[in-house]
Amino acid sequence: QKEVEQNSGPLSVPEGAIASLNCTYSDRGSQSFFWYRQYSGKSPELIMSIYSNGDKEDGRFTAQLNKASQYVSLLIRDSQPSDSATYLCAVNTNYGGATNKLIFGTGTLLAVQP
Amino acid sequence: GAVVSQHPSWVICKSGTSVKIECRSLDFQATTMFWYRQFPKQSLMLMATSNEGSKATYEQGVEKDKFLINHASLTLSTLTVTSAHPEDSSFYICSAYRDTGEQYFGPGTRLTVT
Repeated sequence: QKEVEQNSGPLSVPEGAIASLNCTYSDRGSQSFFWYRQYSGKSPELIMSIYSNGDKEDGRFTAQLNKASQYVSLLIRDSQPSDSATYLCAVNTNYGGATNKLIFGTGTLLAVQP
Repeated sequence: GAVVSQHPSWVICKSGTSVKIECRSLDFQATTMFWYRQFPKQSLMLMATSNEGSKATYEQGVEKDKFLINHASLTLSTLTVTSAHPEDSSFYICSAYRDTGEQYFGPGTRLTVT
């Protein structure tokens, strides 16, 4: 059973701080990794994708991938109350294959305190 | 980012009737789309994979005769909930797979069956 695990939280950080969200996955053959943000009552929104080891930065967001440790993280710098949402880690273990299904973690609830 | 639309955004129907939900990729072609269901405060649940020009692949436990999926073109997939019952009331979300490797979600359709 391919699994993606996240701490459900809530993760509470003060406004302006760095929020660090973590994710581990079980399938060592996984190729593609994604972070989605989901506000309550809304659908998920893709905020980061990462395919190779190391860091990828986009604005206030940095995704980090360590395939040897089977670990993906998302850092949010200068956290704002508007960042308060559930963050979903997703892994594609069959990139380019027949299905391209994503395996989702259960999500981490982030609460940024003003 | 890519844009995926869904229609309708919400629908109320009577028990025993059928409801059709449309999912469109507006600025890219999607050979594969996915249909999810999400109950309040629960994780996304993949229902089926929709492939253009072929039959959908359903996840275990999802009734294919109840949830009819048609992927008639590279930009449109439809989900029809047949003979709807109150327990089918949920938030239905589609996603479209882009050949860059990313999946983009539609805004979702909230179905209430009375």
